Amino acid sequence: ETGVTQSPTHLIKTRGQQVTLRCSSQSGHNTVSWYQQALGQGPQFIFQYYREEENGRGNFPPRFSGLQFPNYSSELNVNALELDDSALYLCASSFRDGANVLTFGAGSRLTVL
Amino acid sequence: DQQVKQNSPSLSVQEGRISILNCDYTNSMFDYFLWYKKYPAEGPTFLISISSIKDKNEDGRFTVFLNKSAKHLSLHIVPSQPGDSAVYFCAARELSGGGADGLTFGKGTHLIIQP
Repeated sequence: ETGVTQSPTHLIKTRGQQVTLRCSSQSGHNTVSWYQQALGQGPQFIFQYYREEENGRGNFPPRFSGLQFPNYSSELNVNALELDDSALYLCASSFRDGANVLTFGAGSRLTVL
Repeated sequence: DQQVKQNSPSLSVQEGRISILNCDYTNSMFDYFLWYKKYPAEGPTFLISISSIKDKNEDGRFTVFLNKSAKHLSLHIVPSQPGDSAVYFCAARELSGGGADGLTFGKGTHLIIQP
């Protein structure tokens, strides 16, 4: 059973650029969610996808968008990058049931200069 | 406005003793609580959870206690082992929402187990 894998592990962008982060869900999971973890903070919910549609969103602007593919892999896209977008981006997958316990990947560390 | 608060950024405990990590929440709509553990360069891993209909859940060395009236939960680790050194996150969700609102995390407590 493979876990959640994310790519790239580290990347550096400049303000105003766009970035795409990728995630492969754990085998058997059908729901994927993305979290942003700034330095010294806990993870903050960005959005969740189920059946290739966004079905929940945290307090993030529309320039944060995502996709879920038929094989349950996912992308997080961030447009018009700002300095405050520098953070660890965590992808988590789960099987949609009552508990919905999340399995996290190791994250993608984004630095915006 | 933080809805889940972990007021101790770090905690140092001697190996073999009990570790107690605390968490407070303000949102009365939360009805499911989880603890995650995170090692450096790894993603958070699920440790233990508790539903609001219970006041205690135990799994081996780990026990979570929930006091709904005080909006407080705690994680007890007995006995503490060196491998327990990690950052522990308390998280909460509104289960009735089907989980679509995601988890709300605290800032974490860095537990250090000293030999």
